[in-house]
Amino acid sequence: DSGVTQTPKHLITATGQRVTLRCSPRSGDLSVYWYQQSLDQGLQFLIQYYNGEERAKGNILERFSAQQFPDLHSELNLSSLELGDSALYFCASSVWDRANNEQFFGPGTRLTVL
Amino acid sequence: AQTVTQSQPEMSVQEAETVTLSCTYDTSENNYYLFWYKQPPSRQMILVIRQEAYKQQNATENRFSVNFQKAAKSFSLKISDSQLGDTAMYFCAFMTATGTASKLTFGTGTRLQVTL
Repeated sequence: DSGVTQTPKHLITATGQRVTLRCSPRSGDLSVYWYQQSLDQGLQFLIQYYNGEERAKGNILERFSAQQFPDLHSELNLSSLELGDSALYFCASSVWDRANNEQFFGPGTRLTVL
Repeated sequence: AQTVTQSQPEMSVQEAETVTLSCTYDTSENNYYLFWYKQPPSRQMILVIRQEAYKQQNATENRFSVNFQKAAKSFSLKISDSQLGDTAMYFCAFMTATGTASKLTFGTGTRLQVTL
């Protein structure tokens, strides 16, 4: 158990819908990362937050957005869902925002878009 | 942009034997970090080993060791005394050491099967 929690574990929804994925980082970690793992794109970095502020953006679609709240938990919002958004979404956390610190991964949320 | 290449989609090894997984990367940076992550059937991402580019000594963690060749931009993982529990997808990953962003860039993975 990494100490990072993600809810829900599984999510099944229809095209065009909107969902919210939630992540609670390890106690004391200020940085949160979101990654997408899909069959055709592999593991891709989406976005990073540090202490409530956006730090880096990857190949995140405009339909996707994220935020980190004052209690440090983070939410990833996915809207206008398409079949291709079906994937495993990981949240990871680390102590601070720079390199030289391990990222601890949560168990992931499996999103299925029908 | 950094890229990470894992040229072996699948590998198989017998229990107690040794196997080496390959990884190459491309970067213009001098300081960076390299990682191997394991993803068993449970899908949990587990850090196996890490290497700082400024360190010449190869990292080791129990049965896991790396062969880091900075000039060749190569970072292979050696698993000794393979165990059935080592069966998993293995991802090589790169992290830049500059700035405040610390995203991981992953390779496509190698599926390792440990057999009896």
